[in-house]
Amino acid sequence: DAGVIQSPRHEVTEMGQEVTLRCKPISGHNSLFWYRQTMMRGLELLIYFNNNVPIDDSGMPEDRFSAKMPNASFSTLKIQPSEPRDSAVYFCASSGTRGLYGYTFGSGTRLTVV
Amino acid sequence: AQTVTQSQPEMSVQEAETVTLSCTYDTSESDYYLFWYKQPPSRQMILVIRQEAYKQQNATENRFSVNFQKAAKSFSLKISDSQLGDAAMYFCAYRSPRAQKLVFGQGTRLTINP
Repeated sequence: DAGVIQSPRHEVTEMGQEVTLRCKPISGHNSLFWYRQTMMRGLELLIYFNNNVPIDDSGMPEDRFSAKMPNASFSTLKIQPSEPRDSAVYFCASSGTRGLYGYTFGSGTRLTVV
Repeated sequence: AQTVTQSQPEMSVQEAETVTLSCTYDTSESDYYLFWYKQPPSRQMILVIRQEAYKQQNATENRFSVNFQKAAKSFSLKISDSQLGDAAMYFCAYRSPRAQKLVFGQGTRLTINP
């Protein structure tokens, strides 16, 4: 298995532009998570899906952020419009139903908004 | 809500020596899962070790072992025979059996001195 695949690995964009981050979870995993990592706030859960349905989006910072999971093998996190304070590393992770096995993380997308 | 606390922002150890990273958590649940993740400079999040709360025996994975003290709500990570490749951020995490999300501590940056 190729693991959780995120793209792009790096993204530099100008303030005000739309940014779309992509994630392909591990086949057979039924939960998908989007995290944001910054020096100041550490790892923050933005949203997670169970069986493609959003379960908890309380961590989404504001309406500029949206996430979708149209099918079991693909998810997107969109920021529109982007702002410099959105600069961070965004991780996608997936998990099966057994809690013991934790998450498998993707390599993350480093987003820089200038 | 569950919380995870790592009280050591930074630790350092001489190569080949043993180091222990601390983690405490707060929960009212009796059954749960605990994890240690490693994040090297490559930023990939790597699962190091996991523990089920109902198991009294401490988990071990090669040079990595935990000291799980359920009554004290403590879950420390011991790294024996430290190697240069162990240098990384280490995150402690909690997962409830009734929820999918992982709750992370703030992390401990471990430096290995040659």
